[in-house]
Amino acid sequence: EAQVTQNPRYLITVTGKKLTVTCSQNMNHEYMSWYRQDPGLGLRQIYYSMNVEVTDKGDVPEGYKVSRKEKRNFPLILESPSPNQTSLYFCASTKRPPGQLITDTQYFGPGTRLTVL
Amino acid sequence: KQEVTQIPAALSVPEGENLVLNCSFTDSAIYNLQWFRQDPGKGLTSLLLIQSSQREQTSGRLNASLDKSSGRSTLYIAASQPGDSATYLCAVHNDMRFGAGTRLTVKP
Repeated sequence: EAQVTQNPRYLITVTGKKLTVTCSQNMNHEYMSWYRQDPGLGLRQIYYSMNVEVTDKGDVPEGYKVSRKEKRNFPLILESPSPNQTSLYFCASTKRPPGQLITDTQYFGPGTRLTVL
Repeated sequence: KQEVTQIPAALSVPEGENLVLNCSFTDSAIYNLQWFRQDPGKGLTSLLLIQSSQREQTSGRLNASLDKSSGRSTLYIAASQPGDSATYLCAVHNDMRFGAGTRLTVKP
C-alpha cells in the first residue's frame, strides 16, 4: 500500500530537548516536504527536498532542520524546541516537484501532534 | 507572494443539500490546484487535482473547477451526506500554498 508514515504520532516534550520526527514514503517519490498546521493559519511549508541531498527552506524554517540521505526518508529535527513550535506536523511526498505544468498528487502522512512545554 | 483564501471558514448544511466551497488565490499565474479533505486528527486526503490544462475535474459527487483568470476554484459537492463532514482545503501547486480550509458539517 502506497503510504507516508510518520513517527511518533504524538509527542510531549520540554523546551530545549532535541527531538526528531521521522518520515518515510514507499512510493519512490523524489519530492518530500514538511508542513506545520496551526489553527486559522492553514498549512505552512517548513522545508522541502527535491531529491537526495537536496533540501531547501520553505516559508517557516526557523528552528528546524532536515536531512535527505535516502530517497525514502526525510526526518524533521528540532534542535532546541520552544513552545511556539507546538503544532500539528505533516510530512508529504509527490513524484514530481510542484510548480510544473503537469504535477502529481501530494500524499500526506497522518500527522504528528507536538506539544512543547 | 501567493495568498490563498477559503470562504466561508465554516459551513453547516442539512443532509441532501448541494453546496459549493470557494478557494481564491491572488496570483493567477498558477499551474495546478488540488483539493484535500481532512478529518479531525487525521492527515490530508487528496480529492481532486486540476492540472494547468484542465478547467475541471470530477470524482463521484465531487466536481472541482478552476478559473485562473479570475483567481478562483470551486468545489461542488452534490447531495451532501453526514460522512462529508470534514475540513476541506485547497492548495496551489506552484509553491504549495494552502488555504486555511472550510469546516463543513452536514446534519442528518
